[in-house]
Amino acid sequence: QVTLRESGPALVKPTQTLTLTCTFSGFSLNTGGMCVTWIRQPPGKALEWLARIDWDDDKYYNTSLKSRLTISKDTSRNQVALTMTNMDPVDTATYYCARINRYESSGYYAIIDYWGQGTLVTVSS
Amino acid sequence: DIHLTQSPSSLSASVGDRVTISCRASRSMSNYLNWYQQKPGRAPKLLIHAASSLQSGVPSRFSGSGSGTEFTLTISSLQPEDLGTYYCQQSFSTPIFTFGPGTKVDLK
Repeated sequence: QVTLRESGPALVKPTQTLTLTCTFSGFSLNTGGMCVTWIRQPPGKALEWLARIDWDDDKYYNTSLKSRLTISKDTSRNQVALTMTNMDPVDTATYYCARINRYESSGYYAIIDYWGQGTLVTVSS
Repeated sequence: DIHLTQSPSSLSASVGDRVTISCRASRSMSNYLNWYQQKPGRAPKLLIHAASSLQSGVPSRFSGSGSGTEFTLTISSLQPEDLGTYYCQQSFSTPIFTFGPGTKVDLK
């Protein structure tokens, strides 16, 4: 059974750095094709993809937020962390971690097949 | 980056209605298109992948079609539990993902 759970502060002040941790079970980030991603959703708004880390430690970022984001993994603990610097009230959102599963079928496809419950982060002084 | 638009942005329908949601891509992306359902206060759930493949466990009233730049999600007979917001998402430009703006479905 695959599960993911986000943890981190519910409230951060403007200009601070946010660090979120995703703790997962039921799969290994040592397995080829497995990836973990972070996605956020401001209240009442759409989903926004943030970052991804692959089993081979390749890392990818939303081009608009790249300078502020860092994603890392600790495979021994089954954890993925996301840091976002210089937080602003517009970064108030529910942050989700999720698993990306890649498969081949007349091409290479990627699906987000399991999600955490999400954690609401509010940025306010 | 590929930009996705969805139409309509919201719709109201009755139980048993056939519901169609469209997703348009800014450039051709074959069938690298997934659909998610998000119920209020919940994480999204994968419904359709590769434009038309039903994810395991998803009711057969959901179906997807399309390729290139035009895609459609259809609910053949709307049920009360189908209320929520539906998002398309492209994986053509993976590892970069983008989501559509969403279509909110509620009961008339």
